[in-house]
Amino acid sequence: EPEVTQTPSHQVTQMGQEVILRCVPISNHLYFYWYRQILGQKVEFLVSFYNNEISEKSEIFDDQFSVERPDGSNFTLKIRSTKLEDSAMYFCASRVDRAEQYFGPGTRLTVT
Amino acid sequence: GDSVTQMEGPVTLSEEAFLTINCTYTATGYPSLFWYVQYPGEGLQLLLKATKADDKGSNKGFEATYRKETTSFHLEKGSVQVSDSAVYFCALIEYTNAGKSTFGDGTTLTVKP
Repeated sequence: EPEVTQTPSHQVTQMGQEVILRCVPISNHLYFYWYRQILGQKVEFLVSFYNNEISEKSEIFDDQFSVERPDGSNFTLKIRSTKLEDSAMYFCASRVDRAEQYFGPGTRLTVT
Repeated sequence: GDSVTQMEGPVTLSEEAFLTINCTYTATGYPSLFWYVQYPGEGLQLLLKATKADDKGSNKGFEATYRKETTSFHLEKGSVQVSDSAVYFCALIEYTNAGKSTFGDGTTLTVKP
């Protein structure tokens, strides 16, 4: 069964450093998403991406964040200058039209 | 905007007990509804879904019925097992514009032998 994959599974970085989280969505999917979950809290929407552009973003997704689909298969989330409060689990998801989202296993980001 | 409200947890049950986790939603349109399960240290697994009123989603003994009149999607299981211990999230998607998922806060279920 096709699945969404994410790398790395765990990323440790120092405050102020840039990180790139990578996702490979399911190949025929058209809609792509990033969510985050701070430890023990709810899953929060960050950004959605369709037709090579951002379709919606939340208040969390400020100028420090960016997304890209560089090659038609990968979908990346970049955090330019990480802060301690960016420590969380980041989930990528994808879907086809009017269907459920398929979530990846997540990347745990730890900012020290 | 859209929102999902889940019953507050945590919930602790004995094995073979009946489980209900309440979920109500607010949406401007006609959403699809989902339950996800998250085991410790793992990602989100889709447990079941319903796409229109009166649909019943079911999987692994869990059930939930889409009730449009009460805007609810309560999760039930007749006899829980220790292995059901996890965090359960109710979620909705409105397929307008971005079609993002909106999640409830999650309910932690612990089943004791």
